[in-house]
Amino acid sequence: AQTVTQSQPEMSVQEAETVTLSCTYDTSESDYYLFWYKQPPSRQMILVIRQEAYKQQNATENRFSVNFQKAAKSFSLKISDSQLGDAAMYFCAYLMAGTASKLTFGTGTRLQVTL
Amino acid sequence: GAVVSQHPSWVICKSGTSVKIECRSLDFQATTMFWYRQFPKQSLMLMATSNEGSKATYEQGVEKDKFLINHASLTLSTLTVTSAHPEDSSFYICGIYRGETQYFGPGTRLLVL
Repeated sequence: AQTVTQSQPEMSVQEAETVTLSCTYDTSESDYYLFWYKQPPSRQMILVIRQEAYKQQNATENRFSVNFQKAAKSFSLKISDSQLGDAAMYFCAYLMAGTASKLTFGTGTRLQVTL
Repeated sequence: GAVVSQHPSWVICKSGTSVKIECRSLDFQATTMFWYRQFPKQSLMLMATSNEGSKATYEQGVEKDKFLINHASLTLSTLTVTSAHPEDSSFYICGIYRGETQYFGPGTRLLVL
């Protein structure tokens, strides 16, 4: 079975600074997808970034980028130039490729952004 | 991406009554939809996977007679909480599967008194 681990329950970053959220996963599959979702106080789950396991290039979306280390089964999220609106719960998630299979979520990291 | 709506966003009901929550895929015909439950400060817990035109697949420990799921069309799935009790109070989120990605609705807060 696949597992996703987020070892940082809470993180804090000052506005305009950079922060990295950690995620590790375990799977025996070679083809899969990894995601970071953001859940602000409204509780709407928002897709932040998506990484395909067979692509070596790290995904980037504006101020958000990932460091995907397939051999180490690590998938960290870097947020640059942090903004107050980035304050939220961040969930790392895994999806096996090829079927409409279920997401496996980590326990989440609460990110606080301070002035 | 995909646009997903849920209705209602907020519902309060009396113990023993049934509540129906709708999940709509607004810009995509979703063959597969998912229903999650989330307790405060916890991650999402998958309740069931619904496929259009067939019976839902429930996760272990989820009572299928209590949480009725209907996916009668490619744009609508419903979750009915039957004979609701205070312990069913929670945040319910639906998701759709599109392009090897899941997209989520805004969620429904259920409070059972």
